[in-house]
Amino acid sequence: DAGVIQSPRHEVTEMGQEVTLRCKPISGHDYLFWYRQTMMRGLELLIYFNNNVPIDDSGMPEDRFSAKMPNASFSTLKIQPSEPRDSAVYFCASSSGTLGTEAFFGQGTRLTVV
Amino acid sequence: AQTVTQSQPEMSVQEAETVTLSCTYDTSESDYYLFWYKQPPSRQMILVIRQEAYKQQNATENRFSVNFQKAAKSFSLKISDSQLGDAAMYFCAYKLPALDMRFGAGTRLTVKP
Repeated sequence: DAGVIQSPRHEVTEMGQEVTLRCKPISGHDYLFWYRQTMMRGLELLIYFNNNVPIDDSGMPEDRFSAKMPNASFSTLKIQPSEPRDSAVYFCASSSGTLGTEAFFGQGTRLTVV
Repeated sequence: AQTVTQSQPEMSVQEAETVTLSCTYDTSESDYYLFWYKQPPSRQMILVIRQEAYKQQNATENRFSVNFQKAAKSFSLKISDSQLGDAAMYFCAYKLPALDMRFGAGTRLTVKP
């Protein structure tokens, strides 16, 4: 398996623009997580899905953030409009609730909002 | 709420020596999992070792081992025969079955040649 695939690896955008981050989880995994990593706040869980259904989105900072999982092999995290304080590394991770419990991470998307 | 605390923001070790990274957690659950992840400069999160709370035996993976003290809610990582490639951020994580994973703030490990 290719692992968790995120795109793009790097994104630079201007304040006010819409940003969409993409994630393809490992095939067969039924849990998908979105994390944000910053120097100040470390790794924060934003939202997670089970069988494509959002389970806990309490970590989503505000209404500018939204996440979807239309099918088992694809998820998006959207920021609209983006702000400089959204600059961070965004990780997607997936895990299986039956085979094991560790989360497998993608390589992350480094977002810079200028 | 479950919290994970790593009290050492930075640690340093001489190559070939042993270093221990500390982690404590807070939970009222009895069935859970604990992990150590490594994040090198490439920023890839790599699983180093895992421990099931119901297992009394400490997990070991080659040069990496843990000291799991369930009553004390402590989960430290010992790296033996440290190598230059061990230099990275190390994150301790806690997870309930079928739920999300919570991370500590991380410890930056430097390995001196």
